[in-house]
Amino acid sequence: AQTVTQSQPEMSVQEAETVTLSCTYDTSENNYYLFWYKQPPSRQMILVIRQEAYKQQNATENRFSVNFQKAAKSFSLKISDSQLGDTAMYFCAFIYSGAGSYQLTFGKGTKLSVIP
Amino acid sequence: DTAVSQTPKYLVTQMGNDKSIKCEQNLGHDTMYWYKQDSKKFLKIMFSYNNKELIINETVPNRFSPKSPDKAHLNLHINSLELGDSAVYFCASSQGQGNTGELFFGEGSRLTVL
Repeated sequence: AQTVTQSQPEMSVQEAETVTLSCTYDTSENNYYLFWYKQPPSRQMILVIRQEAYKQQNATENRFSVNFQKAAKSFSLKISDSQLGDTAMYFCAFIYSGAGSYQLTFGKGTKLSVIP
Repeated sequence: DTAVSQTPKYLVTQMGNDKSIKCEQNLGHDTMYWYKQDSKKFLKIMFSYNNKELIINETVPNRFSPKSPDKAHLNLHINSLELGDSAVYFCASSQGQGNTGELFFGEGSRLTVL
């Protein structure tokens, strides 16, 4: 079974600064995807960024980038130039991409507050 | 036009009642899900349907019964509601069987059992 661990229940960052959210995971599989989802106070879950395990290059989406360390099973999210709208719960998630039924496993989340 | 819509968004009811939450997606996706988010924000999958067939059924009391009349709809019916059922329930959909992990979520339905 896969597990996803987010060790920072809460974090805060000043507006325009950079913040890094940590995530580690445990799996014996070789083919999988990793994700960061954002849940703002409006509740709706939104996909922020996705990383395929077979790609060595770290994924980036505008101000969001990841540091994927496959050997260490680490997948951190860096938010640059933080904005007030980044205030949200952030969930790291894992899915096995081999044959079989597909289940997205979430970490317990990190609550990020961006301070003006 | 909302991609994944759930109704109702808020539901307050008494213990022992039966209630339903409806979900519809207009993305043409094959797979739909129900997730439960507890008071500590932990998200856990409950059910997954692919083309109206059940493919994931986690350890959920059988008071919870999903129904998929077609691949665009996945409803959740809950019998004999208990206090511990209070949570936010999220519907989601994905293309194929979701092995790329890109899920599109609804806005959630907050269920409060008194």
